[in-house]
Amino acid sequence: NAGVTQTPKFRVLKTGQSMTLLCAQDMNHEYMYWYRQDPGMGLRLIHYSVGEGTTAKGEVPDGYNVSRLKKQNFLLGLESAAPSQTSVYFCASSPLAGGLSGNTIYFGEGSWLTVV
Amino acid sequence: SQQGEEDPQALSIQEGENATMNCSYKTSINNLQWYRQNSGRGLVHLILIRSNEREKHSGRLRVTLDTSKKSSSLLITASRAADTASYFCATDSMFSGGYNKLIFGAGTRLAVHP
Repeated sequence: NAGVTQTPKFRVLKTGQSMTLLCAQDMNHEYMYWYRQDPGMGLRLIHYSVGEGTTAKGEVPDGYNVSRLKKQNFLLGLESAAPSQTSVYFCASSPLAGGLSGNTIYFGEGSWLTVV
Repeated sequence: SQQGEEDPQALSIQEGENATMNCSYKTSINNLQWYRQNSGRGLVHLILIRSNEREKHSGRLRVTLDTSKKSSSLLITASRAADTASYFCATDSMFSGGYNKLIFGAGTRLAVHP
C-alpha cells in the first residue's frame, strides 16, 4: 500500500516557467490537500478538494491552480513560477471532513521546488 | 495565519529524559492533533485529542488539552534518539464552506542525544 505518492521529489525551475506537481493516493480518500512548508513556519494550505471534480482555495492560493479529475489524483500547477514559490510542497489526503471525530491527514513525502 | 503556536521552538535533551512541548491556539476547536516530521520526510499523525477530552495517552506519548487556556501539551517519556524530529500541533476548526481543515503551528524541533 503506497499511501500518498508525490512526483517529482526535486525540481529546479527558472522564473516564469510552468510545472505541475502530481499527487496520487490509493486509500480511496475523498479529501485531498496541497500544503507548502517554509522554514520557521508551519504548513500552509494552498488548495484542497472535497471530492472528484471539486477544488477550493486554502490560505495561500495565489499563483497556483489545481485539478481533481480523478478521485485518486490531485494536481498542483504553477503557471508562472516565482522565487517566492521556492518551498517544500506536501500533498495529503483524508477520509473524513473532520469535526469532533477528527480529520487525520496522511501526507506524502514532499516535493522540493526551487525557483531561480 | 497560524492558529497553533508551539513552544519551545527547539528542545535538546539526553536519551531517557522526558520531552515536553506546548501548543497554544486562538479560536475554538473541534480537536487538536500532534504530528511528527522526520528530517526530509512528510508528516505522520501521532495522536488526536477531542475538545471534550482533557488527557490522552498513546504508548510513551501523553497529550493534555486545556480549552479554557486554549493550550495543549505533548509529553514524550523516556525519550530515545529515534524521537529526534520536528513536532507540530494542528487544530481542527470550521473552515469556510462548512469543511473542516487543519491549521498547523510552526513546530518544535526536538533533538535527543545518545
